[in-house]
Amino acid sequence: ILNVEQSPQSLHVQEGDSTNFTCSFPSSNFYALHWYRWETAKSPEALFVMTLNGDEKKKGRISATLNTKEGYSYLYIKGSQPEDSATYLCAFNNDMRFGAGTRLTVKP
Amino acid sequence: DSGVTQTPKHLITATGQRVTLRCSPRSGDLSVYWYQQSLDQGLQFLIQYYNGEERAKGNILERFSAQQFPDLHSELNLSSLELGDSALYFCASTEISTGNYGYTFGSGTRLTVV
Repeated sequence: ILNVEQSPQSLHVQEGDSTNFTCSFPSSNFYALHWYRWETAKSPEALFVMTLNGDEKKKGRISATLNTKEGYSYLYIKGSQPEDSATYLCAFNNDMRFGAGTRLTVKP
Repeated sequence: DSGVTQTPKHLITATGQRVTLRCSPRSGDLSVYWYQQSLDQGLQFLIQYYNGEERAKGNILERFSAQQFPDLHSELNLSSLELGDSALYFCASTEISTGNYGYTFGSGTRLTVV
């Protein structure tokens, strides 16, 4: 993988469902992996910065894991709420190469 | 208020014109990044400055240029504007050049070229 790839591109879930999505990145020359939450008409908001293989971070119902050897990170949302609806972006290393994002819609 | 200030918030201009977008980083942040978000596209990294010096370059057109001043504010200059340059331009700042501590985004400048 040469660039940052996120999947799925979009996701529709029901309120209360748990969900997860993936960020894949080049496994060589890893420095840091960032997750951002981007609501419509707002600016991206930092969720996590992950630097170590095996890192697990948690913020409320949102958590993330990191595997630098195989080049992926998972973002998990437990018990999705409508206010979780946003685009979730990951970015790689110092130059902050962003993936295209996963657009999450949580239906009440 | 994230602490990163971008001006103007909206800009409408004609093709062929030149505009300047301004970004004031969060207090204490030395590094500024510029991004472009076109319609239905993700964030495209344009350029990074750290303490006045260019640090990294992304998909920035030759018609675009940027600089960071001694007071650490940054300006993105877009010239010979084309319709396709219409986009939301974000800047983000961080303390140091490596971004270990996360980045703070401004609210963006929406540029419309008509």
